[in-house]
Amino acid sequence: QVQLQQSGPGLVKPSQTLSLTCAISGDSVSSNSAAWNWIRQSPSRGLEWLGRTYYRSKWYNYYAVSVKSRITINPDTSKNQFSLQLNSVTPEDTAVYYCARGRGYVDLWGQGTLVTVSS
Amino acid sequence: QSVLTQPPSASGTPGQRVTISCSGSSSNIGRDTVNWYQQLPGTAPKLLIYSNNQRPSGVPDRFSGSKSGTSASLAISGLQSEDEADYHCAAWDDSLNGWVFGGGTKLTVL
Repeated sequence: QVQLQQSGPGLVKPSQTLSLTCAISGDSVSSNSAAWNWIRQSPSRGLEWLGRTYYRSKWYNYYAVSVKSRITINPDTSKNQFSLQLNSVTPEDTAVYYCARGRGYVDLWGQGTLVTVSS
Repeated sequence: QSVLTQPPSASGTPGQRVTISCSGSSSNIGRDTVNWYQQLPGTAPKLLIYSNNQRPSGVPDRFSGSKSGTSASLAISGLQSEDEADYHCAAWDDSLNGWVFGGGTKLTVL
């Protein structure tokens, strides 16, 4: 079955870059019927969609307005995975980060990674 | 503040029927379908209902969803102790061009 496996550090210093990767098995990051999302969850903000990447003859990326100036989501077709980079983090970026697949609706989530922003 | 509005808590006794509401606007629920997720403690959300009222394979028919205008509801009948979890609604928002979520409802089985 399709699985999403997340990896990346759980602790990031303020002003540095948060980097996470989501490895896909059982599906393709280049699928013409899926979009690959990053979503985070914190007690103060609940579930918050951050952005997505998808392939429809070419690659598209869309980001939430709240993080648009700081975020990059990149597909890696050679490793069948996609990544999240969030720059200039502050303690407010502390959250559980999830990668997720969307096919008209978000139907599959990664296991989640707690990322704490602290010095 | 979440874009979609849910009650923070709900409760019921085993066997009862409970409903959880989700209120949005014309740019999200009023324009697109609603999905519901169940989140057990310490785990990722799991798709429970999609396209307003469709259940993925493996989800018991005790769970049902509905939508009217800019609001949606999740109903759980024959409540069981294992249903104790957080429930989140979600919809695509055309104005924000992204997914929006409710703040989540913590369901307690008394």
